[in-house]
Amino acid sequence: EPEVTQTPSHQVTQMGQEVILRCVPISNHLYFYWYRQILGQKVEFLVSFYNNEISEKSEIFDDQFSVERPDGSNFTLKIRSTKLEDSAMYFCASRGQNNQPQHFGDGTRLSIL
Amino acid sequence: RKEVEQDPGPFNVPEGATVAFNCTYSNSASQSFFWYRQDCRKEPKLLMSVYSSGNEDGRFTAQLNRASQYISLLIRDSKLSDSATYLCVVNSSPDDMRFGAGTRLTVKP
Repeated sequence: EPEVTQTPSHQVTQMGQEVILRCVPISNHLYFYWYRQILGQKVEFLVSFYNNEISEKSEIFDDQFSVERPDGSNFTLKIRSTKLEDSAMYFCASRGQNNQPQHFGDGTRLSIL
Repeated sequence: RKEVEQDPGPFNVPEGATVAFNCTYSNSASQSFFWYRQDCRKEPKLLMSVYSSGNEDGRFTAQLNRASQYISLLIRDSKLSDSATYLCVVNSSPDDMRFGAGTRLTVKP
């Protein structure tokens, strides 16, 4: 069964540095998402991406964040000037046509020191 | 009011018990509904979609009540392996996926 893959599984970074989290969505999917989950808290929506552009973003997704789909397969989340509170699990998800469920990658644990 | 609200947990039940979770949503234009399960420090995994007429998958039954704007999940004959957090997901468009905070279930021997 096709799956969403994310790399790295764990990223440790010094505060203030930039990180890029990578995702390879399921190949025939059209909609792509990033979520984060702070330990012990709920899954929070960050951004959705469709037709090579951001379609919706949450209040969390400020200028510190950006997404790209540089080559038609990878879908990346860049976090600039990381802060301690950016420490969380970051999940990528993709889905096909309307009303189909999302499929999640197994996440990247980001630890900011 | 939160857009998607779930029963507060945790639910602690013995093996073999029947347990039900509810989830209410505020957007009457919501079109699709799902239940996911999430194990500790893992990604959410689709448990089942929720259809208007209700649907069943083995020990799991999902129902939708559009008039009252809630969905439910019933687990019969619960197993130890059912211990997880159950997430209600509601969307009114492909870009508008709303997660509930989750209900934690612990099934005990």
